[in-house]
Amino acid sequence: SQTIHQWPATLVQPVGSPLSLECTVEGTSNPNLYWYRQAAGRGLQLLFYSVGIGQISSEVPQNLSASRPQDRQFILSSKKLLLSDSGFYLCAWSVQSARGELFFGEGSRLTVL
Amino acid sequence: RKEVEQDPGPFNVPEGATVAFNCTYSNSASQSFFWYRQDCRKEPKLLMSVYSSGNEDGRFTAQLNRASQYISLLIRDSKLSDSATYLCVVNLGGYNKLIFGAGTRLAVHP
Repeated sequence: SQTIHQWPATLVQPVGSPLSLECTVEGTSNPNLYWYRQAAGRGLQLLFYSVGIGQISSEVPQNLSASRPQDRQFILSSKKLLLSDSGFYLCAWSVQSARGELFFGEGSRLTVL
Repeated sequence: RKEVEQDPGPFNVPEGATVAFNCTYSNSASQSFFWYRQDCRKEPKLLMSVYSSGNEDGRFTAQLNRASQYISLLIRDSKLSDSATYLCVVNLGGYNKLIFGAGTRLAVHP
């Protein structure tokens, strides 16, 4: 069966510090991969998606970046965090032919102070 | 205008009640539609897809009106375990790009 792992689960970072969130998927190959962010009391915002190794599409301008160095690995990064980067970050995967089911990781809760 | 709009609630209902949530979407080219459920501080999980003819899964019924760009979810015989946030989701197609509404919160009380 397929599983998705995301870490770290919780982190508190000072403004201006770097960020790295990692996500890996097991039990499937060539998935679509996604990073979403959910700010407190708000809906999920699609940040990045990837249909293959090294292929990243950005949905919104921001100081975040994403990379896909391996087929089932997706990394979200920032060189300098802002207060507004606080939120609940969710990695998700889907099969390429799916009509819309996404499978989410358990999320990473980031607080920037 | 938001791409997917929902009443944030909360809807506070007693056990056994019937409750309905509505959702509107702005992009007429949207290809498929879903309801996801999100428990407090957890990841969203697919509840059900929404088909043009309407579909039912146990106590849950989903309806789609493409002409009005409107989606609904009906929950019958509410259980305490139904307490959660219900997210209306639209697939714009392409690379399975899902757009989520902000969610409607449901609280079922004894």
